[in-house]
Amino acid sequence: DQQVKQNSPSLSVQEGRISILNCDYTNSMFDYFLWYKKYPAEGPTFLISISSIKDKNEDGRFTVFLNKSAKHLSLHIVPSQPGDSAVYFCAATSNAGGTSYGKLTFGQGTILTVHP
Amino acid sequence: NAGVTQTPKFQVLKTGQSMTLQCAQDMNHEYMSWYRQDPGMGLRLIHYSVGAGITDQGEVPNGYNVSRSTTEDFPLRLLSAAPSQTSVYFCASSRAGQGTEAFFGQGTRLTVV
Repeated sequence: DQQVKQNSPSLSVQEGRISILNCDYTNSMFDYFLWYKKYPAEGPTFLISISSIKDKNEDGRFTVFLNKSAKHLSLHIVPSQPGDSAVYFCAATSNAGGTSYGKLTFGQGTILTVHP
Repeated sequence: NAGVTQTPKFQVLKTGQSMTLQCAQDMNHEYMSWYRQDPGMGLRLIHYSVGAGITDQGEVPNGYNVSRSTTEDFPLRLLSAAPSQTSVYFCASSRAGQGTEAFFGQGTRLTVV
C-alpha cells in the first residue's frame, strides 16, 4: 500500500517557465512533508519542507503548497532552470510521538527535465 | 565537513554471500536509517535507529541486520545475499525532534548475481 504517491513519472518544461510537481498521501497521521532532489549517482538532498499547520512555505524559487483536506501537496519551481533537472521525491513523516524518529515515507519520484 | 559517508560505492556479490555496508555520520545526529531505492518504488525504509544501542525495523527489514554501537556508525549487514537485494542503498541521519530533515549519503549500488 503506497501511502505517498507521485502519479507523474516525468515532467518536461521550458527554461523560465513554472514547474509543478504533485504528491498525494493517504495516511492522516502524516504531519510533516519534505521534498528532496536527487541527481544521478548521488544521494537525495533536502529541498524544502512544510508542517501540517501551514498551507504554504517559500524558499527562493521553490514553494510548497499543502492542501490537508485533499491530502495533496505540490512543489512549484519558478522560474525553472536547466540545473533543476533531477528526480524529485516527496516524503512524509508523522511526529505523533513528539518526534519523527527519522522515519520517512517516500513517493516514487518524478523526473523533471528543464529544456534550455 | 563530510556529513554522511557510505562505503563501498559499488559492490557485486554472489548469491549466498554476506557483506556489510558501512555508514558513518559526523553531525552528532541521534537518528540514523537505511533505505533502499528500486525503480518505480521510491525509497523504502529498511531499519532505523534512534540512538546507540536502539534499532527497529522499517518497511522492508527481511534479510538485513543492523546494530548501532556508537552515535556515528550504523552498518547494514546482508546475511545471505539474494538477487532480490540488488538495489541502491542509502544511509541517512537526522537530529532528534519534530520536523527535522534527513541528510543522505551518496549511496551504495549493490548487485547480487
